[in-house]
Amino acid sequence: QSVLTQPPSASGTPGQRVTISCSGSSSNIGTKYVYWYQQLPGTAPKLLIYRDDQWPSGVPGRFSGSKSGTSASLSISGLRSEDEADYYCAAWDSSLSGVVFGGGTKLTVL
Amino acid sequence: QITLKESGPTLVKPTETLTLTCTFSGFSLSTSEVGVTWIRQPPGKAPEWLALIYGNDYKRYSAFLKSRLIITKDTSKNQVVLTMTNMDPVDTGTYYCAHDSRNYKGFEYWGQGTLVLVSS
Repeated sequence: QSVLTQPPSASGTPGQRVTISCSGSSSNIGTKYVYWYQQLPGTAPKLLIYRDDQWPSGVPGRFSGSKSGTSASLSISGLRSEDEADYYCAAWDSSLSGVVFGGGTKLTVL
Repeated sequence: QITLKESGPTLVKPTETLTLTCTFSGFSLSTSEVGVTWIRQPPGKAPEWLALIYGNDYKRYSAFLKSRLIITKDTSKNQVVLTMTNMDPVDTGTYYCAHDSRNYKGFEYWGQGTLVLVSS
């Protein structure tokens, strides 16, 4: 059981916009930054979004992050086949004094 | 260019102690602003954060595994070592180290990961 809750799956067709949610609490998302990672099969996770809504260099602007209260979202616009991957949210948890991850969302591009 | 690489045994027996080494380049673990974190991922499951260490020797451990983990650094060798005691088959997974920092930019640089199988 993950501290952060994500839907296990999401899907969309090429060109569509897809949103993945991440629900937490006041000890993590509500008061700390949210991060999003993309993981392709057999590879290490890749940082997509930091500090709720910032892009690391090299990450396309099709990926965007937002946060409201104790929930956060990752949106992917102009969906492409190469976006098919697992997506994880993460945040520091002040009660646990550590980083917590969501259970992950498997995105399928139909 | 920042790179990290994990090394250690592929197979450990239940109750044994696992020792993993993260060897990095492109940064120095000599300031309080820079650190290394360990994360593991069981097959088919989400990543799980384990521990972190900063250059000033500040350390934090997973609340769920704290009693079994020790993280240390060797600044001269650019290495961070994670020790996990009393290994169990549920500890099977890929273990990653990643660059960490206090500027809240997340884990931008990861090692390739090392697969650890716990089995008798």
